[in-house]
Amino acid sequence: GQQVMQIPQYQHVQEGEDFTTYCNSSTTLSNIQWYKQRPGGHPVFLIQLVKSGEVKKQKRLTFQFGEAKKNSSLHITATQTTDVGTYFCAVNNDMRFGAGTRLTVKP
Amino acid sequence: GAGVSQSPSNKVTEKGKDVELRCDPISGHTALYWYRQSLGQGLEFLIYFQGNSAPDKSGLPSDRFSAERTGGSVSTLTIQRTQQEDSAVYLCASSSLAGTGSSYNSPLHFGNGTRLTVT
Repeated sequence: GQQVMQIPQYQHVQEGEDFTTYCNSSTTLSNIQWYKQRPGGHPVFLIQLVKSGEVKKQKRLTFQFGEAKKNSSLHITATQTTDVGTYFCAVNNDMRFGAGTRLTVKP
Repeated sequence: GAGVSQSPSNKVTEKGKDVELRCDPISGHTALYWYRQSLGQGLEFLIYFQGNSAPDKSGLPSDRFSAERTGGSVSTLTIQRTQQEDSAVYLCASSSLAGTGSSYNSPLHFGNGTRLTVT
C-alpha cells in the first residue's frame, strides 16, 4: 500500500499559537483526506483535497495540497483547547493512514 | 440516519480463544474497511471490501486474522487463537464510493470501535 510519512509525531502548543502538520509521500497521490480523532473517540472526516496546489479553508483550519501532489499540510491558526486530538492524513483509494500528529494545547 | 455500528464495544478474552467482531456499515455504503489501533498509535489498515470485488487482505497481520462481508453489508472480523499483542481497538469504517479509479473518494464514516483485551 501507499506509504505516507506524517510529521511531527507530537506537537504541544500554548493556546493561541499556530500549528502545522505535514503529510509526505514519495509518489504522486490521487487524493488526500484529513481526519481528526479526539481523545477516546474515533476519526472524523475533515476534508478531501484532489487538485494540484489546492487550498481549502475551514474557519481556522487551512489545508493545502502540493503542486506535485506528493505532500499536504494542515495548518491551524490560533489554536484552542478544542483543537486537541490526533490529526491523520489518508491517501488514495486504499485509504492507508499516516501515523498521525498528536496535538496538545496548554490553556 | 444510523451510523456505523460495531459490536461488542468491549471484549475481554483469554489468550488462545477465538473472537468475532461485528460491523454494520451505513446502509448503501459499498466500501468497508477494518483498522486496528493500539493505544496511542496510528491506524493500521487490515482489510478492505468494495462491492462484490475480491477484498484487499494485504493488511492482515497473520493467518489468524480473517474477515467476511455477507451480502455486501455486515462484516465480521475473526481472530483465531488470540495473542496478547492482538489487544487493541478495532475500528470499522464505511463509505459510499471508493476504488473507482477516479481521484475522488467518499469520506470514511467510522464506528466507535471494539476494544479487545487479551489476557
